[in-house]
Amino acid sequence: SQQGEEDPQALSIQEGENATMNCSYKTSINNLQWYRQNSGRGLVHLILIRSNEREKHSGRLRVTLDTSKKSSSLLITASRAADTASYFCATDAGNTGNQFYFGTGTSLTVIP
Amino acid sequence: DTAVSQTPKYLVTQMGNDKSIKCEQNLGHDTMYWYKQDSKKFLKIMFSYNNKELIINETVPNRFSPKSPDKAHLNLHINSLELGDSAVYFCASSWTSDSDTQYFGPGTRLTVL
Repeated sequence: SQQGEEDPQALSIQEGENATMNCSYKTSINNLQWYRQNSGRGLVHLILIRSNEREKHSGRLRVTLDTSKKSSSLLITASRAADTASYFCATDAGNTGNQFYFGTGTSLTVIP
Repeated sequence: DTAVSQTPKYLVTQMGNDKSIKCEQNLGHDTMYWYKQDSKKFLKIMFSYNNKELIINETVPNRFSPKSPDKAHLNLHINSLELGDSAVYFCASSWTSDSDTQYFGPGTRLTVL
């Protein structure tokens, strides 16, 4: 299946440090998205990167995409305690772009 | 103002019962989705409707029946509930059925005893 797989499963860092999460997928895509899920809440869209883009920034977030390796990374710089959440990548399935595949996420804990 | 809302937030019921979860979005989106998130946080799409028409129907038991009375509502009815149905169910919506940002509801935690 196209399911995205995030790595690591869990990450614990000190406030102020950078956090890097990775996502790998299996088939071609039109775009890849990153979402955040706070405990007990729904997912919130963070950033979308298209297959013809290599890097994208949004505030303290930096996303890279390497379609040759079928992987993406999410970097959160200068982390804050409020960044504590699970982070998911979502991929479409290329030609059938109306379906998203999520993984099990990376659980990030930022220690104050 | 809540963009995507779901009711109820929590649902505890016995095996064999029939239950419904309601979803409403006030964003004017054309497409709505139902996802199931299991205890390991794996999020899997179940259904997708575009302008009240079913466009995605993943391998989901036919005990699950989505209903979209209008494009702002997508309800999920579950018959003969089983223990394995226990999960968090999320409704989401997007402007179109093409790859696009999805807006998620707060989730409904279903526990089947």
